[in-house]
Amino acid sequence: EPEVTQTPSHQVTQMGQEVILRCVPISNHLYFYWYRQILGQKVEFLVSFYNNEISEKSEIFDDQFSVERPDGSNFTLKIRSTKLEDSAMYFCASRSGLAGGRNEQFFGPGTRLTVL
Amino acid sequence: DAKTTQPNSMESNEEEPVHLPCNHSTISGTDYIHWYRQLPSQGPEYVIHGLTSNVNNRMASLAIAEDRKSSTLILHRATLRDAAVYYCILPLRGGSEKLVFGKGTKLTVNP
Repeated sequence: EPEVTQTPSHQVTQMGQEVILRCVPISNHLYFYWYRQILGQKVEFLVSFYNNEISEKSEIFDDQFSVERPDGSNFTLKIRSTKLEDSAMYFCASRSGLAGGRNEQFFGPGTRLTVL
Repeated sequence: DAKTTQPNSMESNEEEPVHLPCNHSTISGTDYIHWYRQLPSQGPEYVIHGLTSNVNNRMASLAIAEDRKSSTLILHRATLRDAAVYYCILPLRGGSEKLVFGKGTKLTVNP
């Protein structure tokens, strides 16, 4: 069964450093998303991406964040200068784009980001 | 946007049915009801969705009230692997695709 994969599973970085979280969405999916979950809190939407551009972003997704689909298979989230409060699980998700009100998003296993 | 209300937690015994309720009294006529779950230390996982009729798939059944103001996710025989947080999610207005996760219902399955 196809699945979303994410690397690395755990990333430790120093405050102020840049990190890139990588995701390989399900092949043939058209819509891509990043969510995050701070330990013990709700899953929060960060950004959605379609047709090589951001279609929606949350207030969390400020200028320090960027997303890219560099080669047609990977989908990356970059945090330019990490802060302590960026420590969280980051989940990538993808969706096929089927119509009919279905919004079945397939999530990856997540990358745990720890900022020291 | 339609709001959902779920109990914070529920408990079940293994191999017994589980009925997880969700109230969504402000749902509009075209809103699909989606259920996701999050197993411990994993990403959210789609479970089922429906509009008006009851729906079944290999994971669960979804019973939707006639007035659509509530729905119930049914796990016919709970297993230990079904212990998770279950989220009932309705779409946002304006065509937004983002999923808004509430606190959900934490299901504990006792052996």
